[in-house]
Order: sequence, then structure tokens, then C-alpha cells
Amino acid sequence: EAGVAQSPRYKIIEKRQSVAFWCNPISGHATLYWYQQILGQGPKLLIQFQNNGVVDDSQLPKDRFSAERLKGVDSTLKIQPAKLEDSAVYLCASSLGIGADVNEAFFGQGTRLTVV
Amino acid sequence: KNQVEQSPQSLIILEGKNCTLQCNYTVSPFSNLRWYKQDTGRGPVSLTIMTFSENTKSNGRYTATLDADTKQSSLHITASQLSDSASYICVVSEGTYKYIFGTGTRLKVLA
Repeated sequence: EAGVAQSPRYKIIEKRQSVAFWCNPISGHATLYWYQQILGQGPKLLIQFQNNGVVDDSQLPKDRFSAERLKGVDSTLKIQPAKLEDSAVYLCASSLGIGADVNEAFFGQGTRLTVV
Repeated sequence: KNQVEQSPQSLIILEGKNCTLQCNYTVSPFSNLRWYKQDTGRGPVSLTIMTFSENTKSNGRYTATLDADTKQSSLHITASQLSDSASYICVVSEGTYKYIFGTGTRLKVLA
């Protein structure tokens, strides 16, 4: 079974530039998550989709971050404009659905963003 | 406030030794607790999952325990190997879909 695919693996941009990350979840997984993981910390949820609808985006800095999952499959996360403090690993995860027995999240390898 | 706290923050042990990592949580409503292993540069991978009624779960050399009364969990690693060097993250599910992540314990196993 293919895992969660993310690209690119690494990205270096200057502050105030824009960047986009792409995620393709495991086939059949309805729930998709984007997490931000700053070095030395645990992942922090940015946004969660159930199919193409947003379940939770309470911690998404909406003035600069946006995400979409138009067809309920793959997703993109965009930062515009980037700040130095956005330097982190951006992890995408997916799960079968919402519910105690189906909500195990499988993670991609992440995109390491460095803002200089 | 829902929180997951882990200790120690980092740990260094010799190959072949055992170790125990701790996780304390204040999450309500509690759904389940998972331990994830995160290798450097990789995404987290689930090791064990325990629901409210389970108090121990094993996965090879990894054994997790859960005390729902004291809201504590531990991950015991037996006969450590170099490949166990990683971050171990405790994750508690709040309700049916929300995860609360701990900051992790960074384990280094030395030859």
C-alpha cells in the first residue's frame, strides 16, 4: 500500500516570498491533516479536512496560510507571504475517517521549509 | 486546557539496555492514546494504540502502558538497538477526531 506522498522534500525561500506544498493521501482516506512541526517540538495541527470540507482550522494563521482539497483527494498548503518563524517541517497525514477506530493517522515524510 | 507532557525531554542509553518514557495528559474527553516513533527527517509512525479500557499493549520490543485513572502512560523499550534512536511522541485523541501531541522524547542509543 502506498503511503502519504508529499512534495517537495525541501524548500528554501526568502521571507515575504510565497510557497506551496502538495500532499497526496493514502487512497480511500477521507480525512487529511496538515501539521507544522517546529524543530524540537511536537506537530501542531494547522488544518483538518473531511473529504473536501474543513473540520478544524482553528490554528491556521489565515492571514498568510491557506489550504484546499478541492476534489477531496490531494491537497495543497500555501504560505503567502512567508515569515522567518514559518521555518519548520510541514507534515501531511491521512486517516480512513473520523471516529475512534478509524482515526489512526499515517504521516508523510514532510516538507522541510527554511525561510531566510 | 488539554495538554500532553512527556519526560524526559531527551535520553541517552547504551545499546542493549532498557528504558522507559513517560507521558502525562490532561485531555478530555479521552478517546485513545498512541505512541509514535519519529526518525530524523521522517514522519511519525504509529507504534501502539490504547483505548480507555486497555492498560497494556505490546509491539515487539515496545510495551506501552496506560493508567486512565492517573492519566499516565509509559513506553518501555526492551534490549534497545541503534535503530531505536528517534523521537517518541505521545498523542492523545480528544473526542473522535482531534489529536493532542506531546513534544516528544529524543532517544539516542549508543553502541
